[in-house]
Amino acid sequence: QVQLQESGPGLVKPSETLSLTCAVSGYSISSGYYWGWIRQPPGKGLEWIGSIYHSGSTYYNPSLKSRVTISVDTSKNQFSLKLSSVTAADTAVYYCARHVGIAAAGNWFDPWGQGTLVTVSS
Amino acid sequence: QSVLTQPPSVSAAPGQKVTISCSGSSSNIGNNYVSWYQQLPGTAPKLLIYDNNKRPSGIPDRFSGSKSGTSATLGITGLQTGDEADYYCGTWDSSLSAGDVVFGGGTKLTVL
Repeated sequence: QVQLQESGPGLVKPSETLSLTCAVSGYSISSGYYWGWIRQPPGKGLEWIGSIYHSGSTYYNPSLKSRVTISVDTSKNQFSLKLSSVTAADTAVYYCARHVGIAAAGNWFDPWGQGTLVTVSS
Repeated sequence: QSVLTQPPSVSAAPGQKVTISCSGSSSNIGNNYVSWYQQLPGTAPKLLIYDNNKRPSGIPDRFSGSKSGTSATLGITGLQTGDEADYYCGTWDSSLSAGDVVFGGGTKLTVL
């Protein structure tokens, strides 16, 4: 079955860039679907960050768009997140997930990775 | 402040039924499909319902979804202590030209 695994630094300094990678197994990213990032601050709800297609086409959360870059590496079957100029407000558990039917064509996330906690602190 | 509004908490006894509401607008729920997620303590969210009322393989029929106008509802029957979790609704919002995925603030279910 499809499995996703996030990886990256657990601690990032303020004003620096947060970088995470999501490795996908059991499914080839090149076969289709969008692939997304969602975050959850401690004790709070879910916030979508953005999603990417294997071709490189992207959708971003308008409130984060100026700081977010999502890229895909089909040769490694993985996709990545970069969030620049981070502050303490970006401290959260970051999840990657397969994004099925983006926009009006359904739109749901399944499956999800286990998540990785990223803390922004000096 | 979430775009979709859910009650912060609901509770019911084992074996009973509970419903969780998700209220939005014409730019999101009113014109798009709704999905629901279950987040057990300390774990990643899990898809429960997609396309308003469809269950993925492996999700028991105790879980159901419905939509009417600009609101959606998750129903859980035959409550079990293992159902204690946070539940989130999600959908697409087309109020901005580029669109956006929006979630509700989450509802904590307590099985008394």
